[in-house]
Amino acid sequence: GAVVSQHPSRVICKSGTSVKIECRSLDFQATTMFWYRQFPKKSLMLMATSNEGSKATYEQGVEKDKFLINHASLTLSTLTVTSAHPEDSSFYICSAIRDRGFGNSPLHFGNGTRLTVT
Amino acid sequence: KNQVEQSPQSLIILEGKNCTLQCNYTVSPFSNLRWYKQDTGRGPVSLTIMTFSENTKSNGRYTATLDADTKQSSLHITASQLSDSASYICVVSGPYAGGTSYGKLTFGQGTILTVHP
Repeated sequence: GAVVSQHPSRVICKSGTSVKIECRSLDFQATTMFWYRQFPKKSLMLMATSNEGSKATYEQGVEKDKFLINHASLTLSTLTVTSAHPEDSSFYICSAIRDRGFGNSPLHFGNGTRLTVT
Repeated sequence: KNQVEQSPQSLIILEGKNCTLQCNYTVSPFSNLRWYKQDTGRGPVSLTIMTFSENTKSNGRYTATLDADTKQSSLHITASQLSDSASYICVVSGPYAGGTSYGKLTFGQGTILTVHP
């Protein structure tokens, strides 16, 4: 089955530093990947849609200069949290759909990254 | 405003019992409805996907139903197991946006299910 690998699973960083999170589709090409943020006991909040070879589309209220997204290949998208602050601490999850996937195709999620900013 | 409301927020049942989770949505127009299972600290895993023309879909002990007229869906879990303890998320997809084959997804807040031995 389709596998999406997200790395790292946990990261602790100091305030003011930047953190990069990788999302890879291991056995399929993903033209489109999505990045979500999830607070404890809350549902996933879409942050941005990442399309290979083009600029990401950010949801309203998400700072594109704060959360840099790069989708350099059909199997890799990265999210960089720049100048992280404690309020950026959260669970970040990526998801991907197969290339030429149709609207009823499953959305494959990574296992998330727990970011803690001290 | 497109919304997906799930109930109950949390549920505790004994192992072996059945349970039903509810999902009401206002997303319109509607493309499909998905149920996901999310274990603590993990990403969601797809259970079922239903289009507006489908009334029911099963995946092992999970059976989802859909009433597109009343905009309601349910997820029924039979003979629950300890491993069913998780958050169950209902996700509704709107129509496909121009140039993409994937509609905008609206997530419910999830139902936290705890199965006790």
